Amino acid sequence: GQQLNQSPQSMFIQEGEDVSMNCTSSSIFNTWLWYKQEPGEGPVLLIALYKAGELTSNGRLTAQFGITRKDSFLNISASIPSDVGIYFCAGRVRGAQKLVFGQGTRLTINP
Amino acid sequence: NAGVTQTPKFQVLKTGQSMTLQCAQDMNHNSMYWYRQDPGMGLRLIYYSASEGTTDKGEVPNGYNVSRLNKREFSLRLESAAPSQTSVYFCASSEALAGGPNEQFFGPGTRLTVL
Repeated sequence: GQQLNQSPQSMFIQEGEDVSMNCTSSSIFNTWLWYKQEPGEGPVLLIALYKAGELTSNGRLTAQFGITRKDSFLNISASIPSDVGIYFCAGRVRGAQKLVFGQGTRLTINP
Repeated sequence: NAGVTQTPKFQVLKTGQSMTLQCAQDMNHNSMYWYRQDPGMGLRLIYYSASEGTTDKGEVPNGYNVSRLNKREFSLRLESAAPSQTSVYFCASSEALAGGPNEQFFGPGTRLTVL
């Protein structure tokens, strides 16, 4: 099935640092979503993107829909301890109905 | 407004036992989904229901059945559990399956262990 490559798989950073992660696909997408999952909980939607080149912010989080429609990026500025969790990208291939998910990026923050 | 609720939160089964995972949403969403989450695999779609009265297979449907009981409820059944079905199961819902914004909202998950 359709695969999303999400990187990095894990990140260990110091509090206050900025974070960048991305997802790439071999197919053209018309929707990109970014979710965060905390331990013992279900994923929670952070940002939704619907147009190529779109740049959307949610507080310290900023995500972009790549111009090629085959990638998306999530940045977190000035990380804080509550940013710890697993971040998932998800997207819908143009013409398809179902979402596909990346493998997740596990973020660990050292205070 | 509870969003998406799932029961039970935890379950341990022996190989060959059956069980049903329950899911309900109170957002008046048309579409509902069942995913499983395994380490390093992300979320994989088991079954989905585009609207009340319809169900379709996802990426990994083998060993599972589903029932869209009404617009609110979507259950997942394991007829004969196997150790390979040890996983965390998430139910999700969305306003529509495709076309326009389609944010999926997730339940808290059911952690299933099959011995």
